[in-house]
Amino acid sequence: NAGVTQTPKFRVLKTGQSMTLLCAQDMNHEYMYWYRQDPGMGLRLIHYSVGEGTTAKGEVPDGYNVSRLKKQNFLLGLESAAPSQTSVYFCASRYQGPPTDTQYFGPGTRLTVL
Amino acid sequence: ELKVEQNPLFLSMQEGKNYTIYCNYSTTSDRLYWYRQDPGKSLESLFVLLSNGAVKQEGRLMASLDTKARLSTLHITAAVHDLSATYFCAVQRNNAGNMLTFGGGTRLMVKP
Repeated sequence: NAGVTQTPKFRVLKTGQSMTLLCAQDMNHEYMYWYRQDPGMGLRLIHYSVGEGTTAKGEVPDGYNVSRLKKQNFLLGLESAAPSQTSVYFCASRYQGPPTDTQYFGPGTRLTVL
Repeated sequence: ELKVEQNPLFLSMQEGKNYTIYCNYSTTSDRLYWYRQDPGKSLESLFVLLSNGAVKQEGRLMASLDTKARLSTLHITAAVHDLSATYFCAVQRNNAGNMLTFGGGTRLMVKP
């Protein structure tokens, strides 16, 4: 049981390049989330999904797209990277209901956009 | 719009001392979470507080929730160096997706 995994761990992009971050969970959780964390700040929600085939916007969705084609995977895409998207990206998943009523976080992806 | 504020933002304390971190939030919520983050690491769940008056304890940490005051506290008893980390509170919005809004974090340094 690996929990929540993220690929890649580190990435450097040039302005205008595109990339996809992959989040995978093996806990059969319905809900999945993408956050970004900037230095000295808390996490901010980018997009989330309440089940396979569904996605919704969070607090800071601009410049990002997501897809949830399979229940266990949640992809975050940057179509045209900008320096303002330099951040650490965390994925999380959650079982909808007790007793495990909390979000479990992946290890993070550190992205630098030059 | 839900806002979550923590204070202090930075806390330096001696081993053996007690201290409290405060988390205030602006709108009604049924659930509040506390997480710990070590430098360069992911977030680790510490406590889930589900109702008014809830109190949970784990080792030297104790968390409480007052939904009427929209306030949660994380109390540290007899701090040790291993507790040095950044602590976040997060409030669940009562809507689809059960989204969390995080506070800015409290960076705790415990000195020998």
